[in-house]
Amino acid sequence: GDSVTQMEGPVTLSEEAFLTINCTYTATGYPSLFWYVQYPGEGLQLLLKATKADDKGSNKGFEATYRKETTSFHLEKGSVQVSDSAVYFCALSDPMDSNYQLIWGAGTKLIIKP
Amino acid sequence: DAMVIQNPRYQVTQFGKPVTLSCSQTLNHNVMYWYQQKSSQAPKLLFHYYDKDFNNEADTPDNFQSRRPNTSFCFLDIRSPGLGDAAMYLCATSKRAQETQYFGPGTRLLVL
Repeated sequence: GDSVTQMEGPVTLSEEAFLTINCTYTATGYPSLFWYVQYPGEGLQLLLKATKADDKGSNKGFEATYRKETTSFHLEKGSVQVSDSAVYFCALSDPMDSNYQLIWGAGTKLIIKP
Repeated sequence: DAMVIQNPRYQVTQFGKPVTLSCSQTLNHNVMYWYQQKSSQAPKLLFHYYDKDFNNEADTPDNFQSRRPNTSFCFLDIRSPGLGDAAMYLCATSKRAQETQYFGPGTRLLVL
């Protein structure tokens, strides 16, 4: 079945550091890929998405490129801020899957220190 | 702004006392979902509605029920909450199946 694997956290960085959170997937079809962010005590917010190979999603300085050849969708940001501290979830939606479920990664907790 | 609204944001109930959580949306989406999330783990899908069609996940306990009286509203009923049901409950919507899901702020349930 489909699956999403993302790097374990917590990831601790200093402010203004470069961020990469790895995400790889397996899917039977051509999935859409998502990054969601969850700030402490809040719900999930869609951060960015990509629906086909080589698409780049971007939002709030974060970027991720849909790489079919490496089945990856790594999240990057050039200069992180304390306010970026949150849990980040990678997820996929497979149109070949009759199930309505999003397939989720385990989440990566990001801690940014001033 | 179009959005997904959940009430209340925090709910305290007693062991075994029924509780209802509510979700409303102004996005006019066809699909509404209920998720359970514990301790910043990945959300676990409990059930979803495609319009009026109800779909229960196979491992969702019978203790959890849902109602969708109209397009805008969806309710989660927990008939006899146990201590293990303490969690964040998230509502989400999507226009159609397999499309982007948009989440509400969640309701944190505490069971005493």
